[in-house]
Amino acid sequence: KNEVEQSPQNLTAQEGEFITINCSYSVGISALHWLQQHPGGGIVSLFMLSSGKKKHGRLIATINIQEKHSSLHITASHPRDSAVYICAVHNTDKLIFGTGTRLQVFP
Amino acid sequence: EPEVTQTPSHQVTQMGQEVILRCVPISNHLYFYWYRQILGQKVEFLVSFYNNEISEKSEIFDDQFSVERPDGSNFTLKIRSTKLEDSAMYFCASSETNNEQFFGPGTRLTVL
Repeated sequence: KNEVEQSPQNLTAQEGEFITINCSYSVGISALHWLQQHPGGGIVSLFMLSSGKKKHGRLIATINIQEKHSSLHITASHPRDSAVYICAVHNTDKLIFGTGTRLQVFP
Repeated sequence: EPEVTQTPSHQVTQMGQEVILRCVPISNHLYFYWYRQILGQKVEFLVSFYNNEISEKSEIFDDQFSVERPDGSNFTLKIRSTKLEDSAMYFCASSETNNEQFFGPGTRLTVL
């Protein structure tokens, strides 16, 4: 069983839709990261969370430590949001990655 | 804005050859990491490095792998005798306080 599970694996949406990506984990963590990976392969950090909720523009990330669950929301989605979104948990001195959610937003 | 850089962007090598992947972390960062991503798979942790020594390594990071910080700016990953299964994208990351990590653009290693 993977230590970090994401759902869904693939997601398609029409421009303007509200998107939710979920992440569950089974290990102890000091923080949870949401990352974005574009087709060229580069990885960009979106959020680092250890509790509560963070917002950056149209992106919102929440975490529930007791339930070992986090969500990434995208409001008013846009085709430029198309990418792979990865949940990664900070465990000791390393990140443990989920398999990613491939999001495609169509105009 | 400071960023992590990696060279080369693409390395092609023959099986059994040694390769060195280079990274320049952000200048005031103290924690350094290597990850890899085999095509179509998730990103996997290889090794973390702090205070001139390995702080944690994964099962993947066997005796064929080594890391070094040869000077004040570079952080290198060496694979002594490459195998076909070492073909992957290798990402370097750095962190100021072992919290938020900043990733380089990756080196695509192809072993023939």
